[in-house]
Amino acid sequence: DIQMTQSPSSLSASVGDRVTITCQASQGIRNYLNWYQQQPGQPPKLLIYDASNVKRGVPSRFSGSGSGTDFTFIISSLQPEDFATYYCQQYDGLPLTFGGGTKVEI
Amino acid sequence: EVRLLESGGGLVQPGGSLRLSCAASGFTLNTYAMTWVRQPPGKGLEWVAAISGRGGSPDYADSVKGRFTISRDNSKSTLYLQMNNLRADDTAVYYCSKTGMYDYTYFDPWGPGTLVIVSS
Repeated sequence: DIQMTQSPSSLSASVGDRVTITCQASQGIRNYLNWYQQQPGQPPKLLIYDASNVKRGVPSRFSGSGSGTDFTFIISSLQPEDFATYYCQQYDGLPLTFGGGTKVEI
Repeated sequence: EVRLLESGGGLVQPGGSLRLSCAASGFTLNTYAMTWVRQPPGKGLEWVAAISGRGGSPDYADSVKGRFTISRDNSKSTLYLQMNNLRADDTAVYYCSKTGMYDYTYFDPWGPGTLVIVSS
C-alpha cells in the first residue's frame, strides 16, 4: 500500500498568514495527488487535482505543487473560511489512500 | 449540476447487514467510476470501494473485502454498498463520490454522507 504522510497534523494560524502543508508518499506517485478541504460536519470538497491544478471556482490563494514523493499545499493568505481540515489523496495505486489530515485552527 | 445523496444508514448490531444507496443526478452514472469513502467519528478519511464506469471488477479496501459489495443500477442512477458481517470498527459516516470517467482519479463531488453505527 502507498502510505501518505501528511504534516503537520495540526497548526495554528491567523487571518492573512501563509500556510504550508506537506504530503509525502511512501513511493513515487507521479502527480497523482489531490487535496481536499473539510469543514466540520460537512463532506470533503476537492480543491486541487493532479498535484497542481486548482479546481474551477476555488480561490487562487490555494495552490499545490510537487511530483514523485513530495507534495506541498499552500494557502497564500488565510481567510476566516479556510479554518478547516485538509487531506491529501493519492490515486497512483490501490488501495486509494489519504493522508491523516491537517487541522488548521485559529 | 451533479448531485449525490446517500441513504440507508442507521444502527445495526455486530454481524448484521445494511445496504447504503447513493442517488445520483446531473450526470450519466454508467459513464463514471464511483466510490465509497468512510470517516469514523473524529477520525480521517478511508477509501472503502470503487467501481469503474467501464464495468470492470470492483475494487475494495482490504478491511472490507469479502464483506462489502459495491454495485450500481444505471436505470435508477443509483450506487449501492451492501455491507454484511458488520463490525464495530465499521462505524463511520459513509460518503459516495463521483470519480474519473474511466479510472479512479479525484473525488468530486461528494454526497452529504450517511451515518452507520454498529453497536449492540
